[in-house]
Amino acid sequence: SQTIHQWPATLVQPVGSPLSLECTVEGTSNPNLYWYRQAAGRGLQLLFYSVGIGQISSEVPQNLSASRPQDRQFILSSKKLLLSDSGFYLCAWSVGPFEAFFGQGTRLTVV
Amino acid sequence: AQTVTQSQPEMSVQEAETVTLSCTYDTSESNYYLFWYKQPPSRQMILVIRQEAYKQQNATENRFSVNFQKAAKSFSLKISDSQLGDTAMYFCAFTPHGGANSKLTFGKGITLSVRP
Repeated sequence: SQTIHQWPATLVQPVGSPLSLECTVEGTSNPNLYWYRQAAGRGLQLLFYSVGIGQISSEVPQNLSASRPQDRQFILSSKKLLLSDSGFYLCAWSVGPFEAFFGQGTRLTVV
Repeated sequence: AQTVTQSQPEMSVQEAETVTLSCTYDTSESNYYLFWYKQPPSRQMILVIRQEAYKQQNATENRFSVNFQKAAKSFSLKISDSQLGDTAMYFCAFTPHGGANSKLTFGKGITLSVRP
């Protein structure tokens, strides 16, 4: 069966520190991978998506970057966090036009 | 570019009654898929229902059904016999059929509260 792992679940980081959130998928090959951010009580903002290894599309220019070093691994990074980077980050995967499966999310607080 | 619009930020419904959540989208694609996702307080995203654009018949899943109007680019979700467990944020989403631009785009969501 397919599963998705996203960690950590909660993270508190100081302003100016680096960030690395990791997402891995099991049980499927060549998935589309996504990083979304959700502000409190708000909608999902698509940050990055990837249709293959090394292929990253950025939706919103900002302080974050993404990488896909392996087929089923998607990493969200920042060199220096800003207060505005706080939020709830969701990783998701899909294959073709079928439903997307989401990780449990990471609540990031930048202090 | 694809856009998904959910213009109602919040709705409330009495338990056992019916509620309809609105969604419109814009695309130049001819073949695509539409979804409604539910995000309860646990924040785990759950697929509620899926509609294929080439199918004229509206999708139905138990108490959940859609009204898909392709010409109007409208995709509303009807929840019948509302239950307290339906309280959640609901997102409308779109993805084209395939190709390099097969990203999944969400609307801003609507917060639904079911009153006992």
